[in-house]
Amino acid sequence: GAVVSQHPSRVICKSGTSVKIECRSLDFQATTMFWYRQFPKQSLMLMATSNEGSKATYEQGVEKDKFLINHASLTLSTLTVTSAHPEDSSFYICSAPPDGNQPQHFGDGTRLSIL
Amino acid sequence: TQLLEQSPQFLSIQEGENLTVYCNSSSVFSSLQWYRQEPGEGPVLLVTVVTGGEVKKLKRLTFQFGDARKDSSLHITAAQPGDTGLYLCAGGTGAQKLVFGQGTRLTINP
Repeated sequence: GAVVSQHPSRVICKSGTSVKIECRSLDFQATTMFWYRQFPKQSLMLMATSNEGSKATYEQGVEKDKFLINHASLTLSTLTVTSAHPEDSSFYICSAPPDGNQPQHFGDGTRLSIL
Repeated sequence: TQLLEQSPQFLSIQEGENLTVYCNSSSVFSSLQWYRQEPGEGPVLLVTVVTGGEVKKLKRLTFQFGDARKDSSLHITAAQPGDTGLYLCAGGTGAQKLVFGQGTRLTINP
């Protein structure tokens, strides 16, 4: 089945650090990937749509200069949380649909903790 | 903005009981997915329903998509402690986006 790999699974760093999270589709190509954020005991909130070869599309209220997204190949999207602060601490999850008619497959998430 | 209202948000029952989780919206969705999420992991797909009125069964789990494709339900028969987890419904919209419900945190007590 379609597999989405996310790395790293856990990051703990100091305030002001920039953190990069990778999302890879392992056995299929994904022209589109999605980035979600999930706070404790809450559901997933879509942050942005990552588009291969073009700019990402951000949801309302998500700062594009804070959360940089790069989708340089058909199997890799990266999310960089720039100058992270404690309020950015969250569980970040990516997903990708194997093709337009199939449901999305999710990575295992990245737990980001900013001290 | 399309919204999915999921209920109940918390449910704690005894092993062997039946339960139903609901997802409702005023919007029509092209598809409806149900996921289960364990702590510290990403959601895992349980089922996708795409046709109004569609019913799918997965062992003791029964999923239904409303005739108008605005609502869905998940029914679990004879719940077991292994069913404990966070259940999420998600509606498919244009451009492959998903709108998630608030989630139902289910606890099955032995």
